[in-house]
Amino acid sequence: AQSVSQHNHHVILSEAASLELGCNYSYGGTVNLFWYVQYPGQHLQLLLKYFSGDPLVKGIKGFEAEFIKSKFSFNLRKPSVQWSDTAEYFCAVWPSGSARQLTFGSGTQLTVLP
Amino acid sequence: GAVVSQHPSWVICKSGTSVKIECRSLDFQATTMFWYRQFPKQSLMLMATSNEGSKATYEQGVEKDKFLINHASLTLSTLTVTSAHPEDSSFYICSAKGLAQLYNEQFFGPGTRLTVL
Repeated sequence: AQSVSQHNHHVILSEAASLELGCNYSYGGTVNLFWYVQYPGQHLQLLLKYFSGDPLVKGIKGFEAEFIKSKFSFNLRKPSVQWSDTAEYFCAVWPSGSARQLTFGSGTQLTVLP
Repeated sequence: GAVVSQHPSWVICKSGTSVKIECRSLDFQATTMFWYRQFPKQSLMLMATSNEGSKATYEQGVEKDKFLINHASLTLSTLTVTSAHPEDSSFYICSAKGLAQLYNEQFFGPGTRLTVL
C-alpha cells in the first residue's frame, strides 16, 4: 500500500517569507499527486494537482509544486506567504487507474505571523 | 462546478442513537463516493468507498455494521452511524468522483461534525 510523509508538522513563518513544505510518497507505480488546504473552520480545497506532463505545477493563490519522480517527492512552494495562508496543508497520493485509496499525509499546520 | 454538499454540518446526539449524514454531488454524477474520518489535528482516514448501486468497500478496521453506507443514486450517498458512542465523535468528510474527465478526481464536501454525548 502507498504511504505519504509530510516532514513538517508545524511551520511558523513571518509574512513575505518563502515557503516549502515537504511531501514524500512510497509507491512504485504511476501516481497522481495533490495538495489540499484546509483553512480554519472550512473544508478541504484543492490547491493544485499533478497528473502528467510538466512536473512543475502551478496552483491557486501563488502556490506551486514540483514532482521529482526520482525522489518520490512533491514539495509545495510559495515565494512569499501572507497571513491569510495560515491553514493546514495536506499532500495526497492517488495511484493512477485506481478508483479508491486517495492517501493523505498527516498534514502540516502553517502559521504566518503578520 | 463540482460541488459536493453534506448535511447536516453539525450534529449532537445522545449515546446509543443513530445518526445519518448525507453527501450530495450537486452538479455532476458521482459514480464513486468516499467517506473519511478526521480526528482533531490529524489527517483524513478513508473509511469506505461506495459505488452507485453496489455495496460499499470498507477499509480495514472499520466496522461495516456500525457505519452503514448507502449509495442509492448517482448524486447521493448516506453514512449512518448506528448506536453512536462518544468515541465516534469526529469530523466526517465525504468526497465524490465522477466518470467524465472533468470530474475524474475527488471533490470534497464541507464535512459533518458529530458530537456524541
